[in-house]
Amino acid sequence: EVQLVQSGAEVKKPGESLKISCKGSGYSFISYWIGWVRQMPGKGLEWMGIIYPGDSDTRYSPSFQGQVTISADKSISTAYLQWSSLKASDTAMYYCARHGSGSAFDSWGQGTLVSVSS
Amino acid sequence: EIVLTQSPATLSLSPGQRATLSCRASQSVTSHLAWYQQKPGQPPRLLIYEASNRASGIPARFSGSGSGTDFTLTISSLEPEDFALYYCQQRSNWLPITFGQGTRLEIK
Repeated sequence: EVQLVQSGAEVKKPGESLKISCKGSGYSFISYWIGWVRQMPGKGLEWMGIIYPGDSDTRYSPSFQGQVTISADKSISTAYLQWSSLKASDTAMYYCARHGSGSAFDSWGQGTLVSVSS
Repeated sequence: EIVLTQSPATLSLSPGQRATLSCRASQSVTSHLAWYQQKPGQPPRLLIYEASNRASGIPARFSGSGSGTDFTLTISSLEPEDFALYYCQQRSNWLPITFGQGTRLEIK
């Protein structure tokens, strides 16, 4: 069974750094792109970027380029999303999702809630 | 960037009725369009990929159609568990992937 398990909820202050994780299992982690999706409170889905763990090829949405860093450690089947300096506006639920062969995200993590407040 | 416009924003129907949700792309995405269902407190769930293919485990009452710029998700006979948010998503030439703003399907 394909599973993506994300790290737990985070409460941070503006200006702090953060790295959240997404561990894949039940499939060949290096063979599928992993994407990150933001959902702000009460809002829709926003694609942030995507990484191919096999060679770490990474693409970003223009809206998030330079704001976050996506990485992966294929040795432990884990993808990451990180911020160097959080803002209150980064408060949201963040999902990782596997991009399958059908141009779609076919398996999703449970989400990581990030709250940023002074 | 390809913009996806979903309509209507909210659809009010009763169980047993047929639901028709629309997604229009600002330029052709050929058939690279997917549909997702999201319920409160849950991640999205893939329903349809490549415009018309049901994902694994998705009931046959869900169907997708369309190509190019106009796409439709149809739920043939609504079950109580179908009342949720629905999003379309495109992946054409990779960048960037975009989602529609969503359609809320609510019980009338």
